[in-house]
Amino acid sequence: GENVEQHPSTLSVQEGDSAVIKCTYSDSASNYFPWYKQELGKRPQLIIDIRSNVGEKKDQRIAVTLNKTAKHFSLHITETQPEDSAVYFCAASSDTGTASKLTFGTGTRLQVTL
Amino acid sequence: NAGVMQNPRHLVRRRGQEARLRCSPMKGHSHVYWYRQLPEEGLKFMVYLQKENIIDESGMPKERFSAEFPKEGPSILRIQQVVRGDSAAYFCASSPLYGNQPQHFGDGTRLSIL
Repeated sequence: GENVEQHPSTLSVQEGDSAVIKCTYSDSASNYFPWYKQELGKRPQLIIDIRSNVGEKKDQRIAVTLNKTAKHFSLHITETQPEDSAVYFCAASSDTGTASKLTFGTGTRLQVTL
Repeated sequence: NAGVMQNPRHLVRRRGQEARLRCSPMKGHSHVYWYRQLPEEGLKFMVYLQKENIIDESGMPKERFSAEFPKEGPSILRIQQVVRGDSAAYFCASSPLYGNQPQHFGDGTRLSIL
């Protein structure tokens, strides 16, 4: 089955700096890669996703890049703000023609300091 | 446009009792996924269902756990004879019928075993 590794487990940045979180996956059949943000005691919220036919996707201060050959994908947050502090999870799944389960990374706790 | 609805939000059970967790998917979504999140850990897939069918239960413990998604009504995750190790947050997500679509999560049920 799929295995997703995520690094770092914790990340502390100053407000205004950029944050990068990296994930690798093992199953070459995986072709859908969402990122979720989870605040303490809350639901995971989808913040951005990318499919394997695209190398990069951007949404305001958030971008995701995908390297299919190396089987890794990254989340980039620019101009970080205190409200970006949360745990971020990457995930992967394969498109079998019907909806498929997500395999999650272990999470990155991002702390944005003033 | 209601999101994924889970209830109860918090559930306390004594060892040996049964726990029933409910999930109503987003309107128009016919696929439901259950994930478990232990404290300070990531989300682990448990089971994937569509109406009246279990599609993938590879993440379900072999004993005491069962899930259903009847033709009418919410999906139910049932845990019999609960033990302390069942204490966790249980999240439900839903997605539309076709394709590798984003999964949207409910607020979760936090199960505590005394």
